[in-house]
Amino acid sequence: QVQLQESGPGLVKPSETLSLTCAVSGGSISSGDYYWSWIRQSPGTGLEWIGYIYYSGNTYYNPSLESRLIMSVDTSKNQFSLSLRSVTAADTAVYYCARESHHAGHYYYYIDVWGKGTTVTVSS
Amino acid sequence: DIQMTQSPFTLSASVGDRVTITCRASESINNWLAWYQQKPGKAPKVLISKASSLERGVPSRFSGSGSGTEFTLTISSLQPDDFATYYCQQYNSYPVHFGQGTKLEIK
Repeated sequence: QVQLQESGPGLVKPSETLSLTCAVSGGSISSGDYYWSWIRQSPGTGLEWIGYIYYSGNTYYNPSLESRLIMSVDTSKNQFSLSLRSVTAADTAVYYCARESHHAGHYYYYIDVWGKGTTVTVSS
Repeated sequence: DIQMTQSPFTLSASVGDRVTITCRASESINNWLAWYQQKPGKAPKVLISKASSLERGVPSRFSGSGSGTEFTLTISSLQPDDFATYYCQQYNSYPVHFGQGTKLEIK
């Protein structure tokens, strides 16, 4: 059974870069069947999908965050990462990494596995 | 972007009740809709995908229906473990969006 685990600093200063990593266990990130995603949740904005990365490195970012966002994948370590620069208090949230799967014969992806989430606070 | 609107925001019900939550899309998403359950301090858990397909291990008291722009999640007989917040999510097109959530409370 695939499990995902987020890691990274819980506190980031305004204007700095938020960096998180998601370790995947119980399955290979190099499987071509999945997208690997980040979602965040804050009381003010609810659940917000950030973007996904494919094992090949192809990405799709939410346009609302695209200018500040970089995702990367390390297949040798079976993990993927998020980097969000120039953070403000509005980026304070619980950040989840997740796996997106599709139904057989269709290429529409939904989130079927979530990490436990990590709280990131932006504050000086 | 396709926006999702859920109703009601909160729902008070008792064990054994049948409850329905509604989700509307701002344009047609065919049947590319998922429902998630979230408990305090936990990650969401997928219940239903493709509008009506029950995920493995999810109790049969949960069901989903709808297509196009109108969808419902029904719990046929509420159990104590079902009191949580429920979210819909469209995955017809990126960026995907979630509804704002429906908090199911004990009456």
